[in-house]
Amino acid sequence: EAGVTQFPSHSVIEKGQTVTLRCDPISGHDNLYWYRRVMGKEIKFLLHFVKESKQDESGMPNNRFLAERTGGTYSTLKVQPAELEDSGVYFCASSQGLTQYFGPGTRLLVL
Amino acid sequence: GQQVMQIPQYQHVQEGEDFTTYCNSSTTLSNIQWYKQRPGGHPVFLIQLVKSGEVKKQKRLTFQFGEAKKNSSLHITATQTTDVGTYFCAWPNTGNQFYFGTGTSLTVIP
Repeated sequence: EAGVTQFPSHSVIEKGQTVTLRCDPISGHDNLYWYRRVMGKEIKFLLHFVKESKQDESGMPNNRFLAERTGGTYSTLKVQPAELEDSGVYFCASSQGLTQYFGPGTRLLVL
Repeated sequence: GQQVMQIPQYQHVQEGEDFTTYCNSSTTLSNIQWYKQRPGGHPVFLIQLVKSGEVKKQKRLTFQFGEAKKNSSLHITATQTTDVGTYFCAWPNTGNQFYFGTGTSLTVIP
């Protein structure tokens, strides 16, 4: 069974640019989560999809972040325009029950 | 609101020594999960504890959930270099989402 995949693995962009991160969950998992970990700090919840619906987006930092999950399969997280403080590792996780399976993450660096 | 503290933030041990990390909540938790993240890796689910006073073991790892379901611990006996990483507790909020503790970064000195 394939695990959660994320693309790209790394992204280096300049402040003000746009970046789109993609997450492909484990097939059949209705729940999809986005998290962010800034260096040395906690894993911060961003939002939660159930199928294509946003269940909870209370962790999204501001309106520069937009997440979508069209068709209830893969999800994208767009940051526009990116700021320096957006740097970190963005993890996606999926679950069908209470166990979350994490993807390898996208390491985003905003210069 | 719910407050969960995870301590210590960092721990350096000699190989062969024991290690423990704790998560303490101000309110009762329905359940708690533990994850391990290796350096440069992603969080990997270790275990979930649900029952009051529950103790579970995985080889050298022992997980406990307090009687009041407000605290939990992860204990590693005789650490090895493969135990290096950051250990996180996670607990559910509303719905199916989980919040993570600040993590305990374990360094094992050979």
